[in-house]
Amino acid sequence: AQTVTQSQPEMSVQEAETVTLSCTYDTSESDYYLFWYKQPPSRQMILVIRQEAYKQQNATENRFSVNFQKAAKSFSLKISDSQLGDAAMYFCAYNYGGSQGNLIFGKGTKLSVKP
Amino acid sequence: DSGVTQTPKHLITATGQRVTLRCSPRSGDLSVYWYQQSLDQGLQFLIQYYNGEERAKGNILERFSAQQFPDLHSELNLSSLELGDSALYFCASSVEIFPGAIDEQFFGPGTRLTVL
Repeated sequence: AQTVTQSQPEMSVQEAETVTLSCTYDTSESDYYLFWYKQPPSRQMILVIRQEAYKQQNATENRFSVNFQKAAKSFSLKISDSQLGDAAMYFCAYNYGGSQGNLIFGKGTKLSVKP
Repeated sequence: DSGVTQTPKHLITATGQRVTLRCSPRSGDLSVYWYQQSLDQGLQFLIQYYNGEERAKGNILERFSAQQFPDLHSELNLSSLELGDSALYFCASSVEIFPGAIDEQFFGPGTRLTVL
């Protein structure tokens, strides 16, 4: 069964600094997608970034980038120039589509941003 | 705004009762997913519908059921409610241009269910 593990329950970063959130996953599939979702205090789930497993190039979205290591089954999120609005829960998620198109989530990492 | 709507936003009810949560997917999206977020279980997949038919089931209790209507909106029915059913229930939708395609899922704002 596919699993997603986020080993850091909480992280803290100084405003304007860089922070990296870790995620590992387990799968026997070769083609799949990985996602990072942000959940601020409003509870809305917001997609931050996505990575297709067949793409070797790491995805980037403005201040957000990933380090995707397929062989190691690792998918970390780097947030550069952290802002107060980045404070939230961050969830790593996996999806391989097919007959089971649901997202499988990690437990989440609570990110605090200090001014 | 993701384009996915959920009603109601909050629901407070008593043990043993039955409630219905409603979800309207983004225009054009054929797939609807239901997820439950609780403190102890995290985010868990409950059930998926694709174009009106059940596609996949996750950790959904027998007391829970869902359906997707011809206009593609979906309802999640929770019955014989227990204290442990208190959670945030999310609906998500994706276009899934063909069955099994991997597409981004857009989440609604959730329904906060409190069982007293």
